[in-house]
Amino acid sequence: QVQLVQSGAEVKKPGASVKVSCKASGYTFTSYGISWVRQAPGQGLEWMGWITAYNGISYYSEKFQGRVTVTTDTSTSTAYMELRSLRSDDTAVYYCARDRTSTSAPDACDIWGQGTMVTVSS
Amino acid sequence: DIQMTQSPSTLSASVGDRVTITCRASQTISFWLAWYQQKPGKAPKLLIYKASTLESGVPSRFSGSGWGTEFTLTISSLQPDDFATYYCQQCSGNSSFGQGTKLEIK
Repeated sequence: QVQLVQSGAEVKKPGASVKVSCKASGYTFTSYGISWVRQAPGQGLEWMGWITAYNGISYYSEKFQGRVTVTTDTSTSTAYMELRSLRSDDTAVYYCARDRTSTSAPDACDIWGQGTMVTVSS
Repeated sequence: DIQMTQSPSTLSASVGDRVTITCRASQTISFWLAWYQQKPGKAPKLLIYKASTLESGVPSRFSGSGWGTEFTLTISSLQPDDFATYYCQQCSGNSSFGQGTKLEIK
């Protein structure tokens, strides 16, 4: 079945970087874009960025521009999100999510990963 | 980034009630709006896309409407399983979410 499986929980110190992976299966990886969404404890959903493995085009939220990079590895059907210069308020669950259709820009997401908890603490 | 504003932030209702949640965009997004339901500790679930199209498997008591900058999600007759938090998401070029509406049992 179609699924996204994310890497495990991370604990990082302020100023460090984190790279979360999202392995896709059950569909053609290059046909659908992947969004990255985070959720701080007790807070709402926050869209961070998007990438299509078809041609590597990516979009980012202005809030995270310059601090986040999303990439893909088509050989392993895996998407990655790297967030740099971590602060305590980056503590959150990070989700990857698949577009529901094959598009050239972010779309509604029908398949979600299980989430990866990233804790930033000194 | 386009700003999405949901109202109300919290909604108290009873089983069987008809409820409506509103989402406003800071600029026109045509029909590029989706609605999600999220329960504690779970990933969001897609309910509606393109403002009014029901995702496969979603009960018909959920409906969406709107175009441009103002959108609504309506649940025609609340069921116990519907008490959750609801988010709108715009997908017009970039993307962003509303701040969420928590639907509580009255």
